[in-house]
Amino acid sequence: KAGVTQTPRYLIKTRGQQVTLSCSPISGHRSVSWYQQTPGQGLQFLFEYFSETQRNKGNFPGRFSGRQFSNSRSEMNVSTLELGDSALYLCASSARGNQPQHFGDGTRLSIL
Amino acid sequence: AQTVTQSQPEMSVQEAETVTLSCTYDTSESDYYLFWYKQPPSRQMILVIRQEAYKQQNATENRFSVNFQKAAKSFSLKISDSQLGDAAMYFCAYNFGAAGNKLTFGGGTRVLVKP
Repeated sequence: KAGVTQTPRYLIKTRGQQVTLSCSPISGHRSVSWYQQTPGQGLQFLFEYFSETQRNKGNFPGRFSGRQFSNSRSEMNVSTLELGDSALYLCASSARGNQPQHFGDGTRLSIL
Repeated sequence: AQTVTQSQPEMSVQEAETVTLSCTYDTSESDYYLFWYKQPPSRQMILVIRQEAYKQQNATENRFSVNFQKAAKSFSLKISDSQLGDAAMYFCAYNFGAAGNKLTFGGGTRVLVKP
């Protein structure tokens, strides 16, 4: 069974641009969660999608948004990029709530 | 809001020895789940072990075991017979039972394994 796939692995952007990250969950998994990992703030929850609906949301500004498609693939969008958005963005999927989450390798986003 | 605290930024262990990582959490809920994740330099988060709060029995996965003290809100991880491949960052995480998937992570403990 293929694991969680995140694309791209690395991304370099400049301030003010926008970016879209993609996550393909494990086949059959309907829940997709996104996390931001930085040296200063650690791992922080962004949002969770389940069956195309946002089920949970963390404390991030509206510049961070996401969506989930009918095949459970999810995208995360960040608009008007700031230097502080430089981070490793991790996606995790699970079959349903409270089942263990399986993580992808992450997308390393660098803002210049 | 729930918080998870890992008080040990770094732990060092000799190969084949045992190391215990500490984790405390704060919650007013009674139904929740606790996890330990491992993140090697390759950066993928790997689930090590999972504990349901309603279960009194401590979870065990091969060389990994936990000491779950619900009243004390403590959830430590013991790694027995440490191997070089155990070297990584270890994160303790909490998930409220009824909230879907919304992990709250601790700050992490780096484990170094000496040959």
